[in-house]
Amino acid sequence: DVVLTQTPVSLSVTLGDQASISCRSSQSLEYSDGYTYLEWYLQKPGQSPQLLIYGVSNRFSGVPDRFIGSGSGTDFTLKISRVEPEDLGVYYCFQATHDPWTFGGGTKLELK
Amino acid sequence: QVQLQQSGAELTKPGSSVKISCKASGYTFTSYDISWIKQRPGQALEWIGAINPGSGGTGYNEKFKGKATLTVDKSSSTAFMQLSSLTPEDTAVYYCARGYYGGYSYYFDYWGQGVMVTVSS
Repeated sequence: DVVLTQTPVSLSVTLGDQASISCRSSQSLEYSDGYTYLEWYLQKPGQSPQLLIYGVSNRFSGVPDRFIGSGSGTDFTLKISRVEPEDLGVYYCFQATHDPWTFGGGTKLELK
Repeated sequence: QVQLQQSGAELTKPGSSVKISCKASGYTFTSYDISWIKQRPGQALEWIGAINPGSGGTGYNEKFKGKATLTVDKSSSTAFMQLSSLTPEDTAVYYCARGYYGGYSYYFDYWGQGVMVTVSS
C-alpha cells in the first residue's frame, strides 16, 4: 500500500502566521493518465472531514485563497498563508492514484 | 442541497454484525460513487471501499474484504455497509462520502455526519 507520511504531526501557530504541512508518498502519485490524484482534507473538532484541495493544487468551492497546495511525484505541501481561528483542526492528505486509496496520518494545527 | 444522512449510533457485541446506512439527497444518486471511511478514536482515516450505485460495482481495500460489505438501494437512494464478525478493533466512527470524478481529479466532496459503532461485551 502507498504510505503517505505527513510532517509535522503537530503544528502550533499564532493567528496570522503561515503554516506549512508536508505529505510525502512512498510511491509517485502520478497516474498513467498523467494526472495526480492527491487531495487535502481538514477535519475540524467534532466534525466530518471537508475537502480543501483536489488534484494537488485546486481549491474546492468556497475555500479561501490563503490555502495553497503544491507538489508533484512524491512530495506535496499545503501552505496556509495567514492562519485564522477557523483553520484549526487536523489536516489529512489523501491519494486516489493507487489501490487501495490511502490517507496520511494527519497534522494537527493548533494555537500556541 | 446535497446531503448524506447516516443512521444512528450502534452498540454491538463481539462476534455480531451491524448494518449502517447513508441516505443521499439533493442529487442523482446513481451518478456518483459512495465511499466508506473508518476513523478509530483519536486515529487517522482509513478508506474501506467504494460502490457505484448505478452499476452496483464495488471496490474494497483488501484489509476490509470479508469485514465490510457495501450495497445500495436505488429506490430509496441509500447506501449501506454491513460489518461482520465484529471485534473491539471495529469500534470507530464510520463515514460515508460522495466520490466525484472530475476528469483529472477524484475527491470526496460531501460527507455524512458519521456513525459511531461501539463493539463491547
